[in-house]
Amino acid sequence: ETGVTQTPRHLVMGMTNKKSLKCEQHLGHNAMYWYKQSAKKPLELMFVYNFKEQTENNSVPSRFSPECPNSSHLFLHLHTLQPEDSALYLCASSQVDIQRGGYTFGSGTRLTVV
Amino acid sequence: SQQGEEDPQALSIQEGENATMNCSYKTSINNLQWYRQNSGRGLVHLILIRSNEREKHSGRLRVTLDTSKKSSSLLITASRAADTASYFCATENDYKLSFGAGTTVTVRA
Repeated sequence: ETGVTQTPRHLVMGMTNKKSLKCEQHLGHNAMYWYKQSAKKPLELMFVYNFKEQTENNSVPSRFSPECPNSSHLFLHLHTLQPEDSALYLCASSQVDIQRGGYTFGSGTRLTVV
Repeated sequence: SQQGEEDPQALSIQEGENATMNCSYKTSINNLQWYRQNSGRGLVHLILIRSNEREKHSGRLRVTLDTSKKSSSLLITASRAADTASYFCATENDYKLSFGAGTTVTVRA
């Protein structure tokens, strides 16, 4: 366990379903992130939350909707996804005001859209 | 957007040999970080080197940074089968990390 927990580990959903990915960190970090990792492609930064405020939305389609109710929890709500959205979704956290360590990643949610 | 690019894309070495991979990036950075990812899992932070540092060591890892060439290298000495993984460089600017596509390292027993 890294200190960042993602659930579920695997998710298969139809294109008309609505589901949510959950991320939880108990490291006392003040920033959380969603990344998408597709096969043979670099990690893509999707959303950034600093101190619970969304500070970045990298042109992500509206079928992905993030929610950060507090500094320890981050959700990614999914609806009407497309097969090309199948990927590994990684959550990470960091302490933005300290340049000592890097990001701490969760183990990811492997999403398959059918 | 992708900032770092790793080279080579894949590397296969014998156990005990050294593995070297390189990373090039395009814009100014606050720091550069290296991560490891075992198949289908999350990324594990290995080492961070600040823009004013040139070399850093951590166990069997040695990282160099040349800001004039916008490049970094990661050396793994005396490799082990457990080092088999994908390795990513990531550049930090404005508290955001941008990753390269990674180098896949296979260590043969």
